[in-house]
Amino acid sequence: KNQVEQSPQSLIILEGKNCTLQCNYTVSPFSNLRWYKQDTGRGPVSLTIMTFSENTKSNGRYTATLDADTKQSSLHITASQLSDSASYICVVRGQAGTALIFGKGTTLSVSS
Amino acid sequence: GAVVSQHPSRVICKSGTSVKIECRSLDFQATTMFWYRQFPKQSLMLMATSNEGSKATYEQGVEKDKFLINHASLTLSTLTVTSAHPEDSSFYICSATGQGGNYGYTFGSGTRLTVV
Repeated sequence: KNQVEQSPQSLIILEGKNCTLQCNYTVSPFSNLRWYKQDTGRGPVSLTIMTFSENTKSNGRYTATLDADTKQSSLHITASQLSDSASYICVVRGQAGTALIFGKGTTLSVSS
Repeated sequence: GAVVSQHPSRVICKSGTSVKIECRSLDFQATTMFWYRQFPKQSLMLMATSNEGSKATYEQGVEKDKFLINHASLTLSTLTVTSAHPEDSSFYICSATGQGGNYGYTFGSGTRLTVV
């Protein structure tokens, strides 16, 4: 069964600290993996998208990694800011024509 | 590029009335649009997939007569919640992708529907 599991479910960190969010998936065949940031009451906004041949992709303070062999991805946030408080969703696309598989997200709270 | 506009952002309606939500791709042709529903602290749940000019494909358990989807052009899809009930209150989000999926499934900003 195609699934995307994210951990931790929630995380609280102090402003300025780094954190890493995890995503494990069982989707096969695999097309690409995306990380989205969703602020409360807003639609998801894309942070990164990686195909199976890409290992790392950065977007400002966000760096995503992908290990297609172990079917694991991580999202590392550097020097966190209060505005980073949001839900981070890992989304995997299987073969063309199939629906996206969503993780349940990690809720990040950054406090001052 | 790849901007999806969703309107309205919030709507309150009375039970029994219908509500229309619009989803527009502003700078690309959206061959496929998706409609999602999201409950508090839950992930997005796909309701239906619509390809321009064809009937929408609904996910199991989604009432097609209650959630009417129209995708009449390459830049506009609408979701109409008919005879709304309080249990239809939710956050509805659309996303769109262009030819070949090269536009990365851009999401709209969502619509908060409250049925009173």
